[in-house]
Amino acid sequence: QKEVEQNSGPLSVPEGAIASLNCTYSDRVSQSFFWYRQYSGKSPELIMSIYSNGDKEDGRFTAQLNKASQYVSLLIRDSQPSDSATYLCAVMMGYSTLTFGKGTMLLVSP
Amino acid sequence: DTEVTQTPKHLVMGMTNKKSLKCEQHMGHRAMYWYKQKAKKPPELMFVYSYEKLSINESVPSRFSPECPNSSLLNLHLHALQPEDSALYLCASSLQSGSQAEKLFFGSGTQLSVL
Repeated sequence: QKEVEQNSGPLSVPEGAIASLNCTYSDRVSQSFFWYRQYSGKSPELIMSIYSNGDKEDGRFTAQLNKASQYVSLLIRDSQPSDSATYLCAVMMGYSTLTFGKGTMLLVSP
Repeated sequence: DTEVTQTPKHLVMGMTNKKSLKCEQHMGHRAMYWYKQKAKKPPELMFVYSYEKLSINESVPSRFSPECPNSSLLNLHLHALQPEDSALYLCASSLQSGSQAEKLFFGSGTQLSVL
């Protein structure tokens, strides 16, 4: 069973703090990793993709990938209340379609 | 233009009705998808069309019938649905399917309620 695991949360952080969201996956041959943000009642929005080990930064977002540990994370710096949403980790396992984790709810308090 | 357009945004139907969900993209993507999402759950893949041919059907009941008239359009025909089929139905597209760098772009979804 190919799986993507996320802590469902909620993860609560104060405004201005760093939010750290984590994801583990079961398939060692996975090559492509994505983070989607989903506001309540809305559709998922792609915010980051990462394909190689290390860090990838885009504005306040940093994705980190460690294939040896089968671990991918998303850091959100200077968290804002507007960042409050569910964050879905998605992994391309082999040559199949994306497998989504159950998502982590992030709450940023003013 | 990075938009996937879905209509209608909301749909209420009875168990004997026939309705269709529509999806359109003009990004030149050759793979299109239907996902179903229940509240507080991740999206579940239903169908994948690759180059206008059905490539993946995740054992979806026959009361859901997909159709891909051309590379820009994707429909989902609904007939004799059950109340448990109430969910957010998401259309997505990507450059191609099965690619190592597949990035999905989602439409805004259709919130379906079956009475």
